[in-house]
Amino acid sequence: KQEVTQIPAALSVPEGENLVLNCSFTDSAIYNLQWFRQDPGKGLTSLLLIQSSQREQTSGRLNASLDKSSGRSTLYIAASQPGDSATYLCAVRSASKIIFGSGTRLSIRP
Amino acid sequence: NAGVTQTPKFQVLKTGQSMTLQCAQDMNHEYMSWYRQDPGMGLRLIHYSVGAGITDQGEVPNGYNVSRSTTEDFPLRLLSAAPSQTSVYFCASGGLASNTGELFFGEGSRLTVL
Repeated sequence: KQEVTQIPAALSVPEGENLVLNCSFTDSAIYNLQWFRQDPGKGLTSLLLIQSSQREQTSGRLNASLDKSSGRSTLYIAASQPGDSATYLCAVRSASKIIFGSGTRLSIRP
Repeated sequence: NAGVTQTPKFQVLKTGQSMTLQCAQDMNHEYMSWYRQDPGMGLRLIHYSVGAGITDQGEVPNGYNVSRSTTEDFPLRLLSAAPSQTSVYFCASGGLASNTGELFFGEGSRLTVL
């Protein structure tokens, strides 16, 4: 059974810092891994999708990496801004099921 | 391009009532799924479908039914609502191949069961 864990559950950093969010999964037989952002009371917005054959994906200030053998993915946010404050979730697709981590609530202090 | 559309956005039910949450997508995605989101518990998969006529259970299927008669629609039915089903429900769709497997979400349906 696939289990997805995100640690820490919450993180607060000052504006301008670079930061890394972590996602770990127990079954390395995955199709892809996706990172989402969720603002309070809102739906989920897709940030990056990494296919199982890829090692990383980049979009603007965001970079996501994938290491299947160790069951880990990281989301790197460069030069953080207050507008980056949100909950970040990773989702792992194994065959036809997509399982989510419980998220990291990120707060960027001005 | 509407993407994934969920209705209703808000609903209040009494214990024992039934209702259907609607989900429609216009991207011709094979995969559709329902999640519930509760404070501190992330998103948990309720049911999913990999195509018309094919459905399967997720992590928390009890108390919910689904059907997939068309590619576009994937309704979620609560037959006898319970207070434990108070939650925010999200519908999602995506392709089945790994390179088209990006998941798209609806805006959510907030359900309160009294």
